[in-house]
Amino acid sequence: EVQLVESGGGLVKPGGSLRLSCAASGFTFSTYSMNWVRQAPGKGLEWVSSISSSSSYIYYADSVKGRFTISRDNAKNSLYLQMNSLRAEDTAVYYCARKLSHCPGGVCSTNWFDPWGQGTLVTVSS
Amino acid sequence: DIQLTQSPSFLSASVGDRVTITCRASQGISSYLAWYQQKPGKAPNLLIYAASTLQSGVPSRFSGSGSGTEFTLTISSLQPEDFATYYCQQLNSYPYTFGQGTKLEIK
Repeated sequence: EVQLVESGGGLVKPGGSLRLSCAASGFTFSTYSMNWVRQAPGKGLEWVSSISSSSSYIYYADSVKGRFTISRDNAKNSLYLQMNSLRAEDTAVYYCARKLSHCPGGVCSTNWFDPWGQGTLVTVSS
Repeated sequence: DIQLTQSPSFLSASVGDRVTITCRASQGISSYLAWYQQKPGKAPNLLIYAASTLQSGVPSRFSGSGSGTEFTLTISSLQPEDFATYYCQQLNSYPYTFGQGTKLEIK
């Protein structure tokens, strides 16, 4: 069974740091791009960051650029999100998600996220 | 950045109704669009990818259409388990963006 399990969330003070982890199983982790998506309480979904299979390509939302760092360890089948200089507005459930692509003949025509982990709650408050 | 606008934001309907949710992109995204269903306290669940391809295991009452800038998600006959929030997502270019969501409630 393809599965993603996040951990590392918790309560942190403004300006503090937290490291989230996402453990993958049931698929060849090293061949897929991975992502973090967050959802503030009662709000919609916000893409946070993406990392390619070999870590060659990394992207961030403007809202976290310079404060968050995405990384992965393919030997451990794990994805990480190091979050520094946390703000109240970073309070959210953080999900990891695998990116799938349809690339017939080596030319990609679409992407999607599946599956998603169950999420881990990060609360930034004094 | 590509903006996605879903309409309506709230939808009240009855079991058995046919409902349609629209997602408009601020610029063309070909078929790089996915639809997700989210129930309270749960992670989003993929329904449709490539704008119109039904994910394995998703009931056939769900369908998607569109290309370019205008997309629709249709549920042909609402079932009690379909009352949830629905999101579209563009994966054409970074930053990947989501629509604001459509909350489907029981009338």
